[in-house]
Amino acid sequence: DAGVTQSPTHLIKTRGQQVTLRCSPKSGHDTVSWYQQALGQGPQFIFQYYEEEERQRGNFPDRFSGHQFPNYSSELNVNALLLGDSALYLCASSLGQGFHEQYFGPGTRLTVT
Amino acid sequence: DQQVKQNSPSLSVQEGRISILNCDYTNSMFDYFLWYKKYPAEGPTFLISISSIKDKNEDGRFTVFLNKSAKHLSLHIVPSQPGDSAVYFCAATAYSGAGSYQLTFGKGTKLSVIP
Repeated sequence: DAGVTQSPTHLIKTRGQQVTLRCSPKSGHDTVSWYQQALGQGPQFIFQYYEEEERQRGNFPDRFSGHQFPNYSSELNVNALLLGDSALYLCASSLGQGFHEQYFGPGTRLTVT
Repeated sequence: DQQVKQNSPSLSVQEGRISILNCDYTNSMFDYFLWYKKYPAEGPTFLISISSIKDKNEDGRFTVFLNKSAKHLSLHIVPSQPGDSAVYFCAATAYSGAGSYQLTFGKGTKLSVIP
């Protein structure tokens, strides 16, 4: 039973560029949440997708957008990258909305130069 | 404004002893609290949770205590094992309006269990 998978593992982008990160949830899960974890900080909630719609959103600008596909996989898009967007981006999946019993992927390390 | 605070960045405990990790919060609207454990190069792993209507929840070696009046929770690990060495995150959820919830994490405490 595959857990949560994320791609790519690492990514280097330049300021102003756009990036897309991908996440496949754990088998049987229908909800995907995205988090940003800066160095030395705890994860910060970006948004949560359920039934292909954004259901919850944290305090992140509109440059951060997402999508959920019919197979429950998800993408996180960040436009107009800033140096401060450099972080580990974590995806978590769960069954149903909310934050109970989330399973996290290993993350995508994004570096913006 | 940090709503969930883990004031100890690190903690060292001898194997077999009790580990106590602490977490303070400021938002009285938090209604559910969770602890996650994170090993290097892995995503956080859910450990244990507690609803705000309870003051204690136990799961094997792990017990979480909630003191609502003090806005404080703690995670007890007894007995501590070397495999428990990891970063532990405290997190809390609150209803933020319009059917939406928020999940807020602390900065984490790095636990080292010494054999």
